[in-house]
Amino acid sequence: QVQLVESGGGVVQPGRSLRLSCAASGFTFNSCGMHWVRQAPGKGLEWVAVIWSDGSNKYYGDSLKGRFTISRDNSKNTLYLQMNSLRADDTAVYYCARGTTMVGATIDYWGQGTLVAVAP
Amino acid sequence: QSALTQPASVSGSPGQSISISCTGTSSDIGSYNLVSWYQQHPGKAPKLMIYEGTKRPSGISHRFSGSKSGNTASLTISGLQPEDEADYYCCSYAGTSVYLFGLGTKVTVL
Repeated sequence: QVQLVESGGGVVQPGRSLRLSCAASGFTFNSCGMHWVRQAPGKGLEWVAVIWSDGSNKYYGDSLKGRFTISRDNSKNTLYLQMNSLRADDTAVYYCARGTTMVGATIDYWGQGTLVAVAP
Repeated sequence: QSALTQPASVSGSPGQSISISCTGTSSDIGSYNLVSWYQQHPGKAPKLMIYEGTKRPSGISHRFSGSKSGNTASLTISGLQPEDEADYYCCSYAGTSVYLFGLGTKVTVL
């Protein structure tokens, strides 16, 4: 069965960096575009980024461009999110999610999420 | 890129039908048949309920259905059950590999 397990969250000071990882199993990882989606405490879902199955293209939500970088290692079945210059409003649960096609498209499976808290 | 518009809350009694609207623009919902709907219970990850506007994934009850007209998509829950109480989010492709979520709708079963 499809499994997505995020890791790397925690408490970080404003301005610092953090890298999230998502270990995928149960499907052909290199055939699927992959997404990151976040959810601030008590708030709705916000799409963060997508990376195509071969890593050739990456796209980001408007508010995140320049600070976050999505990447993947198909040899390790792992998705990453590098987050720099973190701010208090980046505090959220970050979900790794699978797309249904090579370019992403519909998100069909989600991980359980990892909490990132940005605080002094 | 603005979030898609959803009502903050919708309620209904067991057995009733409810609908949740999701309004976007001609650049997102109006241009693509890539609207999906997600159910999220407290403390849990979202779950796909409808994709490509009207399709149900395997294992999703026939009580859930989706539709689209112009720039607005809708999710209908028929025969409302207590376990349907949750938050529901729409999501649409917005071109150039960019995606938008709705602000979410809290469904309460009275």
